[in-house]
Amino acid sequence: DVKVTQSSRYLVKRTGEKVFLECVQDMDHENMFWYRQDPGLGLRLIYFSYDVKMKEKGDIPEGYSVSREKKERFSLILESASTNQTSMYLCASSLLNSGNTIYFGEGSWLTVV
Amino acid sequence: AQSVAQPEDQVNVAEGNPLTVKCTYSVSGNPYLFWYVQYPNRGLQFLLKYITGDNLVKGSYGFEAEFNKSQTSFHLKKPSALVSDSALYFCAVARRTGANNLFFGTGTRLTVIP
Repeated sequence: DVKVTQSSRYLVKRTGEKVFLECVQDMDHENMFWYRQDPGLGLRLIYFSYDVKMKEKGDIPEGYSVSREKKERFSLILESASTNQTSMYLCASSLLNSGNTIYFGEGSWLTVV
Repeated sequence: AQSVAQPEDQVNVAEGNPLTVKCTYSVSGNPYLFWYVQYPNRGLQFLLKYITGDNLVKGSYGFEAEFNKSQTSFHLKKPSALVSDSALYFCAVARRTGANNLFFGTGTRLTVIP
């Protein structure tokens, strides 16, 4: 079975703090993704990566950055957390080409106070 | 641009009755179409996808979906609903070319009433 592991399920951070969300996949997938989920808005893509050290902006990259130093690991970074970044963050992975199933982690609930 | 519409925020159905969760899409060219389910406080689980071939796709937990190109729809169906099917359901679309990137609908909350 594909496993996508998000190390932190629930986090509470203060405004202005730097926040790291970590994600690891064990299926040697080329693609990794970070989505944000908000009620009524569905899932929105923040960033994705198709190879080590490669990244592409998604639909809502502002206020976020990412790092992919190893194939299995994809980190989402909030340089200076703000209250409007309170959300559920979902990491996912897939094989490279379009049409391949994307597999999700369990999610990280981030509250910024 | 690609988009997905799930016209119903909430669907209620009695246990044992058939259920339908609607999805329409807009994408240039032929799409790849997906359904995912999310249980409370969990990530998304893959249910089924349409890539090519038979328009009726069967997936996990007895769900199926029918690809209708003329109506640009991909409705999720199940012949007999279970209380355990109560969850949030997401339809998603991907282009056939380029990066493997899904565009999601806003979700439909299904409640199965005992």
